[in-house]
Amino acid sequence: GENVEQHPSTLSVQEGDSAVIKCTYSDSASNYFPWYKQELGKRPQLIIDIRSNVGEKKDQRIAVTLNKTAKHFSLHITETQPEDSAVYFCAETGGSYIPTFGRGTSLIVHP
Amino acid sequence: DTGVSQDPRHKITKRGQNVTFRCDPISEHNRLYWYRQTLGQGPEFLTYFQNEAQLEKSRLLSDRFSAERPKGSFSTLEIQRTEQGDSAMYLCASSRLSGNTEAFFGQGTRLTVV
Repeated sequence: GENVEQHPSTLSVQEGDSAVIKCTYSDSASNYFPWYKQELGKRPQLIIDIRSNVGEKKDQRIAVTLNKTAKHFSLHITETQPEDSAVYFCAETGGSYIPTFGRGTSLIVHP
Repeated sequence: DTGVSQDPRHKITKRGQNVTFRCDPISEHNRLYWYRQTLGQGPEFLTYFQNEAQLEKSRLLSDRFSAERPKGSFSTLEIQRTEQGDSAMYLCASSRLSGNTEAFFGQGTRLTVV
């Protein structure tokens, strides 16, 4: 991977609303796109991932979409809950097998 | 906890001192990564091992930093002549070579250089 841009840097929503975080990448060889959640003082943990042969993947309230032509992918969280509050990182991995991370999005879910 | 473990969890050192951190990856994982994370930023890649071979180093990595994985299992990261700018969380991650290639992170070592 080379460069990953992530937006927004901060996202504030009301409980029950949806949250969308977007990332763009530049490496055409990228083929694996994980999303990590990092709670304060804890390690990043994988919440969902998608490979380049798939356009969308869903796991309960979390979904990820990938547009390889446009080189962007997005995380969608529906029916947000206060425990979803954390920093979320997108990442991409290409031929080098080295995950390259975005700068993170701080999600705040207000009860 | 049979995940990735790092030691120590916290390290406070005086500027100019050398420090060494250890990472024990998940036992069957061939790949091992070191990252650095500062407040408000994503993990920044430092170096990567496949088994005992160090295959990649960040161009941003100062020559004061060195890493080893002598037997393809645990790894150490050494920082010589520490500077205040080295203060950060140092994260280790490991993954399989094939199949499920998810990278699992350790809890990190928080370094404070005073």
